[in-house]
Amino acid sequence: GAGVSQSPRYKVAKRGQDVALRCDPISGHVSLFWYQQALGQGPEFLTYFQNEAQLDKSGLPSDRFFAERPEGSVSTLKIQRTQQEDSAVYLCASRKNSGTQYFGPGTRLTVL
Amino acid sequence: QKEVEQNSGPLSVPEGAIASLNCTYSDRGSQSFFWYRQYSGKSPELIMFIYSNGDKEDGRFTAQLNKASQYVSLLIRDSQPSDSATYLCAGGGSMNRDDKIIFGKGTRLHILP
Repeated sequence: GAGVSQSPRYKVAKRGQDVALRCDPISGHVSLFWYQQALGQGPEFLTYFQNEAQLDKSGLPSDRFFAERPEGSVSTLKIQRTQQEDSAVYLCASRKNSGTQYFGPGTRLTVL
Repeated sequence: QKEVEQNSGPLSVPEGAIASLNCTYSDRGSQSFFWYRQYSGKSPELIMFIYSNGDKEDGRFTAQLNKASQYVSLLIRDSQPSDSATYLCAGGGSMNRDDKIIFGKGTRLHILP
């Protein structure tokens, strides 16, 4: 079937705006992960869900970051009052049960 | 703090030679390890995973794991210009357990034509 999809692919926000990033995982994949990747760096873990349960949110950098997956499928990462340091690529990955994660194309967020 | 360390490079290797990429990890509880390739502006794609000590071969790629030394490596034989990319090493829990994985910062590999 289709791979992981993310939208929008690119987002430009003015500092202080709220943004919402969407991830559609591979159908049937139980686990969903969000990562933040700054230029020249590896992906940094933000949070992960098993079905609708958020099992680990230890990587969220501040309380301005919030993620949800209410029906255990699509997930949304919300960033409130965006700051310039939030500029990065936000990657979503899904996994069936354990082992290999499959990544989406990412959303490139630029905060001006 | 669980960490995965890689040399950022760039690592330059002549076409046709063997490229050797290395990675160390801090968490002795990590049991599964992954190598992802990431082209500029693209998302990471899985090349190999390994969870047993020793070597695992897949085509031109060989992953090596040494749990005693907490060391993982990736060898690419007969390097091609299309292998030029950033290679991300990642470590996680058991392959049978749902767990997050921690990525290194990546090593940039450049294959010289």
